[in-house]
Amino acid sequence: GEDVEQSLFLSVRGGDSSVINCTYTDSSSTYLYWYKQEPGAGLQLLTYIFSNMDMKQDQRLTVLLNKKDKHLSLRIADTQTGDSAIYFCADKRTGGYQKVTFGTGTKLQVIP
Amino acid sequence: NAGVTQTPKFRVLKTGQSMTLLCAQDMNHEYMYWYRQDPGMGLRLIHYSVGEGTTAKGEVPDGYNVSRLKKQNFLLGLESAAPSQTSVYFCASSYRGTADGVYEQYFGPGTRLTVT
Repeated sequence: GEDVEQSLFLSVRGGDSSVINCTYTDSSSTYLYWYKQEPGAGLQLLTYIFSNMDMKQDQRLTVLLNKKDKHLSLRIADTQTGDSAIYFCADKRTGGYQKVTFGTGTKLQVIP
Repeated sequence: NAGVTQTPKFRVLKTGQSMTLLCAQDMNHEYMYWYRQDPGMGLRLIHYSVGEGTTAKGEVPDGYNVSRLKKQNFLLGLESAAPSQTSVYFCASSYRGTADGVYEQYFGPGTRLTVT
């Protein structure tokens, strides 16, 4: 099937780097996204990368895309307690209504 | 700008009861979506709408109906609630097209529904 998969849980110490991984199956994906969900809230777009890019950096966030292996990662440098949340990988496929498929979400726990 | 709002925030239903969840957005977005979020399963699309008066089925539409009579509102109905519909429901909206092609979806805060 056309899935987006992530590990369910990641625990890191404050100040360390976090790396959240995602694999997707649809080679027609045009954009890949990372959404963040804080406790009790809806999802919010954190960052995104276009499919013809390999890397995108935005302050503490680095997104790496390996199209050959259909692998996406999000690195958070100097992880802080405020980064504790669920992170969803998502991809946009070609289609008339902007079909976006979300992964299962990775819960990031930051230990002070 | 309130963004995307959802009503109610919490609800408990008995099996067989019906209810309607209301989603409203003030960003003039053409597209609106209803998702459900379940542990370990991520977000699954229930129904979506590409404009006023039009709706379509998503990945898990059974047991739900929707209506989009006004551009800013998207209603999700459960005609006969079942325990399997216990979930957190999120509404989202997006523009039909953007100059950068990013198509960000804007989410509401969610409705936590329990069916006993």
